Amino acid sequence: ILNVEQSPQSLHVQEGDSTNFTCSFPSSNFYALHWYRWETAKSPEALFVMTLNGDEKKKGRISATLNTKEGYSYLYIKGSQPEDSATYLCAFPPHTGNQFYFGTGTSLTVIP
Amino acid sequence: DAGITQSPRHKVTETGTPVTLRCHQTENHRYMYWYRQDPGHGLRLIHYSYGVKDTDKGEVSDGYSVSRSKTEDFLLTLESATSSQTSVYFCAIGGQGANTEAFFGQGTRLTVV
Repeated sequence: ILNVEQSPQSLHVQEGDSTNFTCSFPSSNFYALHWYRWETAKSPEALFVMTLNGDEKKKGRISATLNTKEGYSYLYIKGSQPEDSATYLCAFPPHTGNQFYFGTGTSLTVIP
Repeated sequence: DAGITQSPRHKVTETGTPVTLRCHQTENHRYMYWYRQDPGHGLRLIHYSYGVKDTDKGEVSDGYSVSRSKTEDFLLTLESATSSQTSVYFCAIGGQGANTEAFFGQGTRLTVV
């Protein structure tokens, strides 16, 4: 079992604020990391796939960084909007094992 | 959108009855997964399959069984439903490889009364 921790568990920010949250994981035997966005009443959808130490990915106002040596990834949202409200999950795809390991997620609420 | 369909989308059943949820994919992905979503727990893996007739348990497998007789279908059965199995169930598909993301079905909301 891969121990994946996300923090904070939940977050409330005002519209226009920038925010970030963390996915922590064991740094040994790193393979890849995915970020997923999960809106209420919908299914999770992939945001980023990250594989290399130092990777930075960006999609609009959302970006992510990866540090495999210290075992963390940050997700940043610049100028949060109400439509950014969702749960953000990090996950590790199958490598030597056969299953995805998901973190418990960070629930973001953006207050208009 | 990835071709993955769950059925039924909603179900209410009585305690003690068997229930089967179906996940159907048209993507020919090798891996299929059943998760449950509960407040405070995120996604928890129930069972997964890595090929036809090849399945294994996840972290919350008690009270559930699965079958995969063909690539496109992965069935989750609650042998005798209990109220603790009231949840939203998600099926996912994926391959193996760093860049292979998981694709999720729409979810099945199951209520056991």
